[in-house]
Amino acid sequence: KAGVTQTPRYLIKTRGQQVTLSCSPISGHRSVSWYQQTPGQGLQFLFEYFSETQRNKGNFPGRFSGRQFSNSRSEMNVSTLELGDSALYLCASSLSPGRDTQYFGPGTRLTVL
Amino acid sequence: AQTVTQSQPEMSVQEAETVTLSCTYDTSESDYYLFWYKQPPSRQMILVIRQEAYKQQNATENRFSVNFQKAAKSFSLKISDSQLGDAAMYFCALLAGFGNEKLTFGTGTRLTIIP
Repeated sequence: KAGVTQTPRYLIKTRGQQVTLSCSPISGHRSVSWYQQTPGQGLQFLFEYFSETQRNKGNFPGRFSGRQFSNSRSEMNVSTLELGDSALYLCASSLSPGRDTQYFGPGTRLTVL
Repeated sequence: AQTVTQSQPEMSVQEAETVTLSCTYDTSESDYYLFWYKQPPSRQMILVIRQEAYKQQNATENRFSVNFQKAAKSFSLKISDSQLGDAAMYFCALLAGFGNEKLTFGTGTRLTIIP
C-alpha cells in the first residue's frame, strides 16, 4: 500500500505571497492532520480534517487554513507569507480520528525569502 | 493540556550495543496513547512503536521495546543491538484529549551510532 504523499517536496516563496501544499493520505485513511516543524518551536499541530470537516485546530493565525476533499486528499494554504513560516510541513493520515496511529508523509520544505 | 518532555537532546551508542531514550509526559486524561517516532536525515517521520495506556504489557517491535511506567508518567524506548540505520532524531509523542485529539511531541533526542 502506498504511503502518504506530499507535494511539492520543496518550495521557495517570497514574503507576502501565498502557498498551497497538498497531501494524499494512505488509501482508506479518512483523517488528515498537518504539523509544522521548525528548529525553534519543534513539531506543532496545525489542524485535522475528517470527512471534509475541520475537526481540530492548533494555535496558529488565520493565515493558515486547510480543506479536505471527498477523496480524503487535503490541502493547506498559507496566505501573506512571513519569514517565520519557513518550516517543514508534515502531513499525517490515520484511518479515523482519535485513537488511530498517524502515519506521516515526507513533508514539504517551505522557504520564505 | 498535554506535555511531553525529552531531557536528552543527544545520545550516542556503539553499534550492536543497547541504548535507552527517556520520555516523561503529563496528561489529565485516563485514556491515551504513546508513540515513538524516528526522523532520519531524510526527514520522513517513521513510526517506531505504539503503547496504549490501558495496557499494562510493554509494547515490543523487534529490536525496539518500551518501558511504560504509568504512575510515574514515564515512557522510555530501548533499542537493542543498535544498527547504523538507527541513527536519527527520536520523538516521543502523546495522543490524548479525546474529542479534541492531537499528537503532542517532545523536543526529540538525536541518536548517533558509533561504528
